[in-house]
Amino acid sequence: AQKITQTQPGMFVQEKEAVTLDCTYDTSDQSYGLFWYKQPSSGEMIFLIYQGSYDEQNATEGRYSLNFQKARKSANLVISASQLGDSAMYFCAMRGVNTGGGNNLTFGTGTQLKVEL
Amino acid sequence: KAGVTQTPRYLIKTRGQQVTLSCSPISGHRSVSWYQQTPGQGLQFLFEYFSETQRNKGNFPGRFSGRQFSNSRSEMNVSTLELGDSALYLCASSGSSGTGDTQYFGPGTRLTVL
Repeated sequence: AQKITQTQPGMFVQEKEAVTLDCTYDTSDQSYGLFWYKQPSSGEMIFLIYQGSYDEQNATEGRYSLNFQKARKSANLVISASQLGDSAMYFCAMRGVNTGGGNNLTFGTGTQLKVEL
Repeated sequence: KAGVTQTPRYLIKTRGQQVTLSCSPISGHRSVSWYQQTPGQGLQFLFEYFSETQRNKGNFPGRFSGRQFSNSRSEMNVSTLELGDSALYLCASSGSSGTGDTQYFGPGTRLTVL
């Protein structure tokens, strides 16, 4: 079974500062993918960044980077230069191969980020 | 490219009724997955359809069902609604099934059961 743990229910950060959202995972799969999504109050899940288990370099997408530490089974999201529009719920998710060939994301409980002036 | 669309956006039903939600994936995507999001249980996988076949199913009762059409559009149906079915139902589409294949989500359908 796969499990995603996000231990920070809520985080505050000042505008223009960097923030790290924690995510640890547990899986017996050798090959897996890790994703981060952002969910504003409107409800839509917005894809941010992806890291494959065999990727040697940490993924980056604009102001988002993923600090992937495979031995520690962690995949923390780093947001640089926070903006007010970054205020939202952030979910870490995983997909492994042990899903009968199908698509099945396992999500963490999320971290509510609030960006302040 | 147009994103994933879901209709309706909001629904209010009463216990015992049934409901059908619709999802149109991104053009060219063949996989459609459904998730239920509630404050208590978080995000839970319902099922996935690929090329009109249910390929994967989560741990939900048989009252929850779905189907996919030849144009990849998908519907999910919930029969005999219960109060606990009140949730945000999210649909996601992707191109295939690799571990790195990203799922793109629609805006969701917010179902309230009274």
